[in-house]
Amino acid sequence: GESVGLHLPTLSVQEGDNSIINCAYSNSASDYFIWYKQESGKGPQFIIDIRSNMDKRQGQRVTVLLNKTVKHLSLQIAATQPGDSAVYFCAENIVGYQKVTFGTGTKLQVIP
Amino acid sequence: NAGVTQTPKFQVLKTGQSMTLQCAQDMNHEYMSWYRQDPGMGLRLIHYSVGAGITDQGEVPNGYNVSRSTTEDFPLRLLSAAPSQTSVYFCASRIRGETQYFGPGTRLLVL
Repeated sequence: GESVGLHLPTLSVQEGDNSIINCAYSNSASDYFIWYKQESGKGPQFIIDIRSNMDKRQGQRVTVLLNKTVKHLSLQIAATQPGDSAVYFCAENIVGYQKVTFGTGTKLQVIP
Repeated sequence: NAGVTQTPKFQVLKTGQSMTLQCAQDMNHEYMSWYRQDPGMGLRLIHYSVGAGITDQGEVPNGYNVSRSTTEDFPLRLLSAAPSQTSVYFCASRIRGETQYFGPGTRLLVL
C-alpha cells in the first residue's frame, strides 16, 4: 500500500550545525506534505508544510524541500539547538481527503 | 484559545472495562480525528468526523466508537478494553485543506 517512510531512525548533530531529516513517500497523488515535531510525552506539533506546486518553503530556521520526481521530502534545520531534540516525522495528504499518512519518525539528538 | 484538549492524561484499565476519552477544541474546526500511536509505528487513524453528526471509520476502528454531537467535542469510547488497546491516543482537529493540530495525548494501559 501507499506509505510514508524515513531513511534514518536516529540522527545526532552537534549544536550549531545544520540538520537534515529525510522522508520518502510513495503516493504520487499526494499534494500536501507536513513536518511535525514531537517532544517526549507531548503531542505532535506542526513545524512547516508544503504543497505540491512548490519545491521549497522556508520558515524560521526551517526549510522544507520537495522533490516530486523522486518522491522525496526533506526538513532542514539551521543552527540546531538543544531544544530541537525531538522526534520528527513527515506526513502526506491529498487535499480534500481525510486520510493523512504518517511516517514512523526520526529521532534528532543534539549534542551540546 | 486552548487549542485541542484531552482528558484524562493517563488511565489504567482492566481487560473488559469501558471508558471514554474526551477531546475538545475551541477553534471551530470542522474536522476532528482520533489516532493511536504505538512504538515503531506511525500515527494510525481510528475514527474521524467532518462535522457535527458525521463520523466515519479510519484504519483501525475495531473496538472503538465515536460520536460528534457538537463541533467542539469528539469523545472516543472503548467498549471493552483489551491489552492490544494499550497505546497513546491523540485527538486532532483541522480546517479542510489545512494542517492538523494535535492534543497532548492520553496514555492508556490495559492490564
